[in-house]
Amino acid sequence: SQQGEEDPQALSIQEGENATMNCSYKTSINNLQWYRQNSGRGLFHLILIRSNEREKHSGRLRVTLDTSKKSSSLLITASRAADTASYFCATDAINAGGTSYGKLTFGQGTILTVHP
Amino acid sequence: EAQVTQNPRYLITVTGKKLTVTCSQNMNHEYMSWYRQDPGLGLRQIYYSMNVEVTDKGDVPEGYKVSRKEKRNFPLILESPSPNQTSLYFCASSFSVARTRYNEQFFGPGTRLTVL
Repeated sequence: SQQGEEDPQALSIQEGENATMNCSYKTSINNLQWYRQNSGRGLFHLILIRSNEREKHSGRLRVTLDTSKKSSSLLITASRAADTASYFCATDAINAGGTSYGKLTFGQGTILTVHP
Repeated sequence: EAQVTQNPRYLITVTGKKLTVTCSQNMNHEYMSWYRQDPGLGLRQIYYSMNVEVTDKGDVPEGYKVSRKEKRNFPLILESPSPNQTSLYFCASSFSVARTRYNEQFFGPGTRLTVL
């Protein structure tokens, strides 16, 4: 089963608007990561947030993590047409002893379309 | 340039004809992984390798084999491809969780495989 599930599945906005994507997961994690994929291409790492962090910024990206709700959000501010892509969250799950399984589990992604 | 390369990028083959998709990374990463991406299913992990001669099944290993004889290479082998293995395949690599605790993954450009 999918560890990470993104919401919404698709998002269409105008240039300059903010885009918010959400991710929910099921198990305890070491960290949560967000990746971007341009159509049919490889994934590109955007940002990583550790389980003991609540918020992180990188340029126009803002990521929050709520481990009590097992959820994360990715906010892209002042969106541009070039931000059009699919965005995936990926979780690095840990076992009962707190050790990482050493692999990432990806959600199904949010397709973001930014209209000029 | 630090990168993950995959070959071939595109392949059309017939059922039952053995094929190998190569993956190579030049970042001295311990961890390597193969994913397949299908519409509506997101990325699913096929196999992963924590280091040389250490490989483990991911979520969808049936019909695939891998080997890790050298640190930089992680080929994906389809002994007898079937049409349900038509998909977009990605190889990824990262430093080990033991070394960095945070496994940001670097992805190859993808291999689009069609099995007729």
